[in-house]
Amino acid sequence: NAGVTQTPKFQVLKTGQSMTLQCAQDMNHEYMSWYRQDPGMGLRLIHYSVGAGITDQGEVPNGYNVSRSTTEDFPLRLLSAAPSQTSVYFCASRYYGDYNSPLHFGNGTRLTVT
Amino acid sequence: AQKITQTQPGMFVQEKEAVTLDCTYDTSDQSYGLFWYKQPSSGEMIFLIYQGSYDEQNATEGRYSLNFQKARKSANLVISASQLGDSAMYFCAMRPSNTGNQFYFGTGTSLTVIP
Repeated sequence: NAGVTQTPKFQVLKTGQSMTLQCAQDMNHEYMSWYRQDPGMGLRLIHYSVGAGITDQGEVPNGYNVSRSTTEDFPLRLLSAAPSQTSVYFCASRYYGDYNSPLHFGNGTRLTVT
Repeated sequence: AQKITQTQPGMFVQEKEAVTLDCTYDTSDQSYGLFWYKQPSSGEMIFLIYQGSYDEQNATEGRYSLNFQKARKSANLVISASQLGDSAMYFCAMRPSNTGNQFYFGTGTSLTVIP
């Protein structure tokens, strides 16, 4: 039972480069989301999706794009990386139909932008 | 505004003792959920316990319990009989009903269990 799978685990980019962080879940969760974790700031929501074809912005969406073509996958795109995007990124999913359902997290991607 | 506050950046506890990690929240919603997560040094986020705002009893899950005081807007995590493996960061999170999907996280408390 894989749960939420994120790739890669580590990534170093140069300013201006682009990349896609991958996220896949096998729990048939409608809701998927991306968070970033920075020291002393907890986790902040970047984008989320409540189903295929539906996405919306969270608290800190600037500089990131998402799409949701399938229930299983929710990639996060950095179009032009900036040093301010150096962070640990978590993908999380949950069962949308249960109000009490917690977020299930992937193992995170540590991104460094130089 | 929705906000979660964890005022203890770091805590120490002796092995086998109990420890309380503080969490206060601010929301105008009457309906909300409160969650605690553990993040060990390996980095993954592990769900520990959930408390609903209308739950009359405090939630418990094994050695974890939640001291929920609705009037004070606090949801403290109590870990009983601490073990070395409990050393980790602990995050409190809130999901107000009117946000639909957003979880608000505190800044976390680093717990160190001393042998």
